[in-house]
Amino acid sequence: SQQGEEDPQALSIQEGENATMNCSYKTSINNLQWYRQNSGRGLVHLILIRSNEREKHSGRLRVTLDTSKKSSSLLITASRAADTASYFCATVTYKYIFGTGTRLKVLA
Amino acid sequence: GAVVSQHPSWVICKSGTSVKIECRSLDFQATTMFWYRQFPKQSLMLMATSNEGSKATYEQGVEKDKFLINHASLTLSTLTVTSAHPEDSSFYICSASDRGVGNIQYFGAGTRLSVL
Repeated sequence: SQQGEEDPQALSIQEGENATMNCSYKTSINNLQWYRQNSGRGLVHLILIRSNEREKHSGRLRVTLDTSKKSSSLLITASRAADTASYFCATVTYKYIFGTGTRLKVLA
Repeated sequence: GAVVSQHPSWVICKSGTSVKIECRSLDFQATTMFWYRQFPKQSLMLMATSNEGSKATYEQGVEKDKFLINHASLTLSTLTVTSAHPEDSSFYICSASDRGVGNIQYFGAGTRLSVL
């Protein structure tokens, strides 16, 4: 079964707004990673957060991890039209399991 | 940054033929490579994990005789879809890591396979 469940499944916002997507998982993990996928393309790594970390930043991205709730969130601040893509979380134990993904559409 | 090249990007074949997809790490040595399958608007499903010089580890439900994986060198892994059928039509993506499972994966651009 899939490890990560993401919500919302789809999100549509205006340029300049913040976008938040959530990932929940079921078992203990070594780390959790977020990836981005443009339509019909491969995935690009965004950020990795280890199980002993609670928050991490990279540019306009902010990721939090709550291991007690087995959940993570990805916040994209001041979104741009170019951020339109699907975003996946991947939980890492002895293998990677990808979440169901959030399709983000940023309207110009 | 690390680059993974996947080829071809699109292939159309007749039912019953075999198709080979290549995945190359261009500027790093990939100790571990992964093959995924993705259906439209769905997540990635891990098919198999391969380490250079050893047999691939297939996920439950993935037919190893149907999807042949070879990881002959530290920069090249291939996936061969044997005797392809229309239900094998999908988007196949490879990824590579220079430090094995647990670290960042670098993805190829994917291969869209259409079996007629």
